[in-house]
Amino acid sequence: AQSVTQLGSHVSVSEGALVLLRCNYSSSVPPYLFWYVQYPNQGLQLLLKYTTGATLVKGINGFEAEFKKSETSFHLTKPSAHMSDAAEYFCAVRDSSNTGKLIFGQGTTLQVKP
Amino acid sequence: GAGVSQSPSNKVTEKGKDVELRCDPISGHTALYWYRQSLGQGLEFLIYFQGNSAPDKSGLPSDRFSAERTGGSVSTLTIQRTQQEDSAVYLCASSLERRSEQYFGPGTRLTVT
Repeated sequence: AQSVTQLGSHVSVSEGALVLLRCNYSSSVPPYLFWYVQYPNQGLQLLLKYTTGATLVKGINGFEAEFKKSETSFHLTKPSAHMSDAAEYFCAVRDSSNTGKLIFGQGTTLQVKP
Repeated sequence: GAGVSQSPSNKVTEKGKDVELRCDPISGHTALYWYRQSLGQGLEFLIYFQGNSAPDKSGLPSDRFSAERTGGSVSTLTIQRTQQEDSAVYLCASSLERRSEQYFGPGTRLTVT
């Protein structure tokens, strides 16, 4: 069975500082990995995804993530935090069944301090 | 174009009552998913539709939960005899086909008093 672990339920950074949100996965098959962002009272928005190919994936709003098979990790980074980045972030892996359903981590709330 | 819409946005109900939650997917999307987001359990899969059939219902927590999809479009999630532990945000997502990007609706926040 696949699973996702997000280290740190809350992360706080200063505006302009590096953002690093950690995600580790467990999968018996080559994983398809995703990062979603959720702003208050809104649904989930896809930030970026890894399917195959290049291990460094660039997404929207200046975010990127690197797939590291040896470390079973898919950490999300952004060089310089902006106040508008404050939100909840979810890492997910696509289930290995044929349904396409997603298995999510517990989420990380990012706080950006002025 | 229009995204995934859900109604109602908020629902407060008394314990023991039945509720219906509605999802309108993006037109032309054949795959539809329901997820539940709760404080204790995080984001969990409930059910997957391909067209009008539901080949994966493995996430439905009990037989009080059921869902249907009609016309390959609108889906309704029904919870019978609601319990306080059913309080959560219910999210719907649709995708062009099962391996495509999922687009999420804003969710329905259900509160059972």
